[in-house]
Amino acid sequence: RKEVEQDPGPFNVPEGATVAFNCTYSNSASQSFFWYRQDCRKEPKLLMSVYSSGNEDGRFTAQLNRASQYISLLIRDSKLSDSATYLCVVNLNDMRFGAGTRLTVKP
Amino acid sequence: GAVVSQHPSWVICKSGTSVKIECRSLDFQATTMFWYRQFPKQSLMLMATSNEGSKATYEQGVEKDKFLINHASLTLSTLTVTSAHPEDSSFYICSAREQGNQPQHFGDGTRLSIL
Repeated sequence: RKEVEQDPGPFNVPEGATVAFNCTYSNSASQSFFWYRQDCRKEPKLLMSVYSSGNEDGRFTAQLNRASQYISLLIRDSKLSDSATYLCVVNLNDMRFGAGTRLTVKP
Repeated sequence: GAVVSQHPSWVICKSGTSVKIECRSLDFQATTMFWYRQFPKQSLMLMATSNEGSKATYEQGVEKDKFLINHASLTLSTLTVTSAHPEDSSFYICSAREQGNQPQHFGDGTRLSIL
């Protein structure tokens, strides 16, 4: 089983849609969790940390379920500029990246 | 926000050349730096983890004698690809982290093309 698993997509959605990404991790001792976005041929950039209580940053909402070892990212009112690959990242002693979920937002 | 600078951003060189890539944390002290490689349309692959002042820990399958990592200070780590060959052509990305549970911040990446 992979340490971090994500649905690779691709997700193709119209502008304004709400889209949700899921991620599961295998090591229950994992301590911190993040979502990164990576644009084509660019480095990953931190989108947001994920907290047990759930957290929101504008149109983005992240949730963590430690019991199920599950992380989610919800994007509301999708913009064209949201098109990217979204990486789920789990940290224990070092960070482990999911393979990423590709999102394309179309006009 | 935290800034990590990586240099050079693009390298094209002949087979057999050794290539050195620098990774600097500009506004924080990075106790740990990471080196990744990413082939087209594939996910990031961790190559090695380095802590300042100690030897790097390499992932399985990564040759430590081919990919030399030096983390001499809290703000600088270098990756040297020795005797590079076309199969080493890839996108190499470094990242730096201040403390254990903090997120990593990535450099801009280096596109290495070996002819």
